[in-house]
Amino acid sequence: GAVVSQHPSWVICKSGTSVKIECRSLDFQATTMFWYRQFPKQSLMLMATSNEGSKATYEQGVEKDKFLINHASLTLSTLTVTSAHPEDSSFYICSARPRDEQFFGPGTRLTVL
Amino acid sequence: AQSVTQPDIHITVSEGASLELRCNYSYGATPYLFWYVQSPGQGLQLLLKYFSGDTLVQGIKGFEAEFKRSQSSFNLRKPSVHWSDAAEYFCAVGDQTGANNLFFGTGTRLTVIP
Repeated sequence: GAVVSQHPSWVICKSGTSVKIECRSLDFQATTMFWYRQFPKQSLMLMATSNEGSKATYEQGVEKDKFLINHASLTLSTLTVTSAHPEDSSFYICSARPRDEQFFGPGTRLTVL
Repeated sequence: AQSVTQPDIHITVSEGASLELRCNYSYGATPYLFWYVQSPGQGLQLLLKYFSGDTLVQGIKGFEAEFKRSQSSFNLRKPSVHWSDAAEYFCAVGDQTGANNLFFGTGTRLTVIP
């Protein structure tokens, strides 16, 4: 139980395009999901907290207009990287919280050319 | 400010040998501490957590960790490593039950040699 999936697992896009990443809780409902970013040889950094039916809460320094988060249902949150640039290339990980523990997805590697 | 330090970027051990991964934290309140393991293509999996009580906690896959408040440490140990333990290990500190605001260390990559 408590499985979280992400799609796609990797994506390559051209600079200036937008990319959508999906995070799904497969066997539970999650009112709260989290989006993290991980740079090589660095720790996971929380980008935002996604709450079903309401606006996401972004961490300091994260551009909410660039990283659009939508949590339209209790099992799906999406992260859209708008007008992506090479510096947005990273590993994006989501997690979902059914109760008092976060369960993590496998991550999505984004490469912007 | 909250922070987690994992001083060892990469550790190599022989299969069957003992293992200790170091973790030091800085946290302004009562720390809630976690160890996660990340295998390629898979999400982070919780190995164990410490909230309160006995400072030696047991986790899955034969792992244990000891909370030492005086040293601000939460080191992960395993008496005999298996080849399947090769992965990336992350220490994290959080508030309340750990369901929010997790701060992660940079991770330690474990290589197991036959």
